Amino acid sequence: KNEVEQSPQNLTAQEGEFITINCSYSVGISALHWLQQHPGGGIVSLFMLSSGKKKHGRLIATINIQEKHSSLHITASHPRDSAVYICAVGKLVGGADGLTFGKGTHLIIQP
Amino acid sequence: NAGVTQTPKFQVLKTGQSMTLQCAQDMNHEYMSWYRQDPGMGLRLIHYSVGAGITDQGEVPNGYNVSRSTTEDFPLRLLSAAPSQTSVYFCASSSVFVATEAFFGQGTRLTVV
Repeated sequence: KNEVEQSPQNLTAQEGEFITINCSYSVGISALHWLQQHPGGGIVSLFMLSSGKKKHGRLIATINIQEKHSSLHITASHPRDSAVYICAVGKLVGGADGLTFGKGTHLIIQP
Repeated sequence: NAGVTQTPKFQVLKTGQSMTLQCAQDMNHEYMSWYRQDPGMGLRLIHYSVGAGITDQGEVPNGYNVSRSTTEDFPLRLLSAAPSQTSVYFCASSSVFVATEAFFGQGTRLTVV
């Protein structure tokens, strides 16, 4: 079983819809990262969380440490939000071994 | 600041050839790492470094070498390229291990024929 699971794998929505992407993990973590990757492009860090909630523009990320779960929300979605969203964790044990990644959620926002 | 710079962006190699993927960062980060990204899989760690002169293996190190002679540079060497090394490679850096924001390069798309 993967240590980081994302759902859904694929999501197609209409412009303006509220989007939720989920991430569950099974290990103790020092931090959880949400990353964005546009087709053929590099990877950009959106958020790093160790507790609570963070907001940046139309993006909101939350984490529940007790439930080992995080969500990424996009409000008023726009076609430019179309990308792969990746959840990654830094583990408490073996944390120097880099981030552990989910497989990503492929999001398409249709106009 | 340029952030993390990776070169080349694209590369085609023949089986058995060797090459070096370059990675440089200008943020004075101690922690640097190399990942590969394959379809249907999450990024996987190849090698990492916690500072100049210190490197260690990640999850999938076979066929790759690294060195860290300066804080800024962390090149990844493919010793004898194999088709199984066809992938997209990302270099990343952060100030302290994985509990701080990670910065990624633009990626290198490598095809081994």
